[in-house]
Amino acid sequence: GQNIDQPTEMTATEGAIVQINCTYQTSGFNGLFWYQQHAGEAPTFLSYNVLDGLEEKGRFSSFLSRSKGYSYLLLKELQMKDSASYLCAVRDSNYQLIWGAGTKLIIKP
Amino acid sequence: IAGITQAPTSQILAAGRRMTLRCTQDMRHNAMYWYRQDLGLGLRLIHYSNTAGTTGKGEVPDGYSVSRANTDDFPLTLASAVPSQTSVYFCASSAKAEETQYFGPGTRLLVL
Repeated sequence: GQNIDQPTEMTATEGAIVQINCTYQTSGFNGLFWYQQHAGEAPTFLSYNVLDGLEEKGRFSSFLSRSKGYSYLLLKELQMKDSASYLCAVRDSNYQLIWGAGTKLIIKP
Repeated sequence: IAGITQAPTSQILAAGRRMTLRCTQDMRHNAMYWYRQDLGLGLRLIHYSNTAGTTGKGEVPDGYSVSRANTDDFPLTLASAVPSQTSVYFCASSAKAEETQYFGPGTRLLVL
């Protein structure tokens, strides 16, 4: 079967750095996405990786290792507004997105 | 402002009733999707449409139907609602099936 695993909840301090991991087992791989979802709102696109390595976009970076079935989202200089759920999704061989359950990130002052 | 709209924002529905959730996008995206999101689970694909006039079944299609008469609209119908269909429903679209998906604000549905 297809499976996306990510931690249920993480806590970090304002101004610090946090890494959210995602491991996957899917039928085929055509890219990995990270989305941010604030409580009661829609998911919004953060990043996309299809090749191995690090993609940097401001305070957010995303890393992919296809051989290990592993990705992480790195958030630097954490702000209170970063409190949200972070969703990992893999596009499979049918070009459908398979979603993890999300990681709820709690930022403390 | 370009984007995706969904209606209604929320709804309480008696079991057995028929309900249509509306989704409209003005980005001229070819592909559209319906997901449900339940606590503790990832988003699950209900139905999708890669282009106007075509639809396909996702992971959890039972009890739901869709149509795609034109590029902009992708309504989701619950023929006879059951309590297990209580969920938050998100519509999404992408320029093509292989491109990034963008989400509407969601519809919160409670079936009693």
